[in-house]
Amino acid sequence: QVQLQESGPGLVTPSETLSLTCTVSGGSINSGGYYWSWIRQHPGKGLEWIGYMYYSGSTYYNPSLKGRVTVSIDTSKNQFSLKLASVTAADTAVYYCARVPAAISYACDIWGQGTVVTVSS
Amino acid sequence: DIQMTQSPSSLSASVGDRVTITCRAGQRISSDLHWYQQKPGKAPNLLIYTASSLQSGVPSRFSGSGSGTDFTLTISSLQREDFATYYCQQSYSTPYTFGQGTKLEI
Repeated sequence: QVQLQESGPGLVTPSETLSLTCTVSGGSINSGGYYWSWIRQHPGKGLEWIGYMYYSGSTYYNPSLKGRVTVSIDTSKNQFSLKLASVTAADTAVYYCARVPAAISYACDIWGQGTVVTVSS
Repeated sequence: DIQMTQSPSSLSASVGDRVTITCRAGQRISSDLHWYQQKPGKAPNLLIYTASSLQSGVPSRFSGSGSGTDFTLTISSLQREDFATYYCQQSYSTPYTFGQGTKLEI
């Protein structure tokens, strides 16, 4: 079955760029009908949708992140990535990648296990 | 952004109880409402999509209902493994938003 796995640095310096990768196994990121998404959860808090990308290239980013976000897909590696620029302590969170099927009205049916990112000097 | 408000924020219950959690949307969202269960240190797990459809592999004691602005998640007979935090999420319009969570405790 399809599995997702996040990877990337656990510690990022303020004002730098956070970069994470999600590796998809057990299925192709090229298969239509799925949006590949990033969601985060601040410590002890609720969930925030960051953005998503379709394999064809269309993207959506949460306006609350003020243009700091880029999501990209590497079909040759079956991966998708998140870049969040100019990070501050407020970006400290658990970051999840998720698969979002259009067929079930954009619910997240498969999640990675999450990766903790701390922004600190 | 569409605000999603869950009630209660926390709930104490016992094994075997019937439990209902409510989610209210700040505007009408048709049936574009989903429910997740999250246990400590784990990713959320999809339980119900489009308000009332049971995700594959989820026990039938979980059910969802509602449309428009008011939705409910019901657990018919609580099992020990159901003690967790539950979130609703709307996908009617971007940015997709989540409720603040309901912590279900023994």
